[in-house]
Amino acid sequence: EDKVVQSPLSLVVHEGDTVTLNCSYEVTNFRSLLWYKQEKKAPTFLFMLTSSGIEKKSGRLSSILDKKELFSILNITATQTGDSAIYLCAVEAPGSSNTGKLIFGQGTTLQVKP
Amino acid sequence: KAGVTQTPRYLIKTRGQQVTLSCSPISGHRSVSWYQQTPGQGLQFLFEYFSETQRNKGNFPGRFSGRQFSNSRSEMNVSTLELGDSALYLCASSHLTRGSGANVLTFGAGSRLTVL
Repeated sequence: EDKVVQSPLSLVVHEGDTVTLNCSYEVTNFRSLLWYKQEKKAPTFLFMLTSSGIEKKSGRLSSILDKKELFSILNITATQTGDSAIYLCAVEAPGSSNTGKLIFGQGTTLQVKP
Repeated sequence: KAGVTQTPRYLIKTRGQQVTLSCSPISGHRSVSWYQQTPGQGLQFLFEYFSETQRNKGNFPGRFSGRQFSNSRSEMNVSTLELGDSALYLCASSHLTRGSGANVLTFGAGSRLTVL
């Protein structure tokens, strides 16, 4: 069965800490992996990864994909309270490449304390 | 540029009733996808519409249905509501028809359904 597993499920850190969120997947005919951030209701897009070993970076956030080991990590450096959110990892559903059908992990709830 | 708009934002229904949720995608976006989000299951794909046709379907019972209109607005309907249907229903649109990036979705704020 195709699936996406995120860890940890929840995490509490203090401002300034660096965090690493994990996402492993088992899906046939993998094509791409996406990260989203959900603060209140609407998830917002962070990164899309298709190639192994190439880091995507945006400010304090970065992500990398390992297609051999079937996982991705999302790093957040110098965390701020505004980083508190649910971080969602998703992969394209097999047979539905480049459409709106994604398989999501359960998410990692990050709380950043002042 | 307006984002994805979902209505209503909150609603309460009782078991056995039906509900219709509405989604207006970003102007120019032709693909609309629906997801159900619950604490235990996370986000689960319901269906996707493109050019008024259902392009993909998830593993939900037939009580869940949807449609898309010629202006790309979409509705989903849940009939014979059950307690387990209580969830946040998220709609998302994409500006690409197919090809790389078509799965980069812009989500609405969701419709929170509570079934009593």
